[in-house]
Amino acid sequence: AQKVTQAQTEISVVEKEDVTLDCVYETRDTTYYLFWYKQPPSGELVFLIRRNSFDEQNEISGRYSWNFQKSTSSFNFTITASQVVDSAVYFCASNTGFQKLVFGTGTRLLVSP
Amino acid sequence: DGGITQSPKYLFRKEGQNVTLSCEQNLNHDAMYWYRQDPGQGLRLIYYSQIVNDFQKGDIAEGYSVSREKKESFPLTVTSAQKNPTAFYLCASSTAHSAVYEQYFGPGTRLTVT
Repeated sequence: AQKVTQAQTEISVVEKEDVTLDCVYETRDTTYYLFWYKQPPSGELVFLIRRNSFDEQNEISGRYSWNFQKSTSSFNFTITASQVVDSAVYFCASNTGFQKLVFGTGTRLLVSP
Repeated sequence: DGGITQSPKYLFRKEGQNVTLSCEQNLNHDAMYWYRQDPGQGLRLIYYSQIVNDFQKGDIAEGYSVSREKKESFPLTVTSAQKNPTAFYLCASSTAHSAVYEQYFGPGTRLTVT
């Protein structure tokens, strides 16, 4: 069975600090996909990234970067130079084949000015 | 603009009443999903549909029903049999029901039953 763990319930930082959101996944499948979504206060989930299990390359998109490590079953998300607009709940999720998307419980990020 | 719409944003009902939540997409996606979100929890899958006139139960389907008569629409009915209906409901869609495709979400409907 799939499982996604986001151990950090809430993180508070001051603007311009770097912050890393942790995600640990469990799956018995060799082919799987990992996702990050952002949920701002408005409620809508915004897709950020998808990574498949065969691609361990780290990815950078502006201030966002993702570190995928199969050896530790982790797919961590780092925001560099955080901004107030980054305040949201961030969800990590996994999916295998035609199975359902399994979400972690989310990490609430509060960025204060 | 392509996207997913859910209406209304807030919905209030009395206990014992059925209520239908609307979800419409113009992304030409085959697959659609309904999730429930409770405070401090991740999203849990209620129902999903891979194609018109087909739908499957998710993890918490009891007390809910759906229909998929049109590709664009996937309404969710919360019946009086649902014991704890107060929650935030999110609709999503994807190109197809496969892990390859990311799901896109609507703005959600917050249902309060008293």
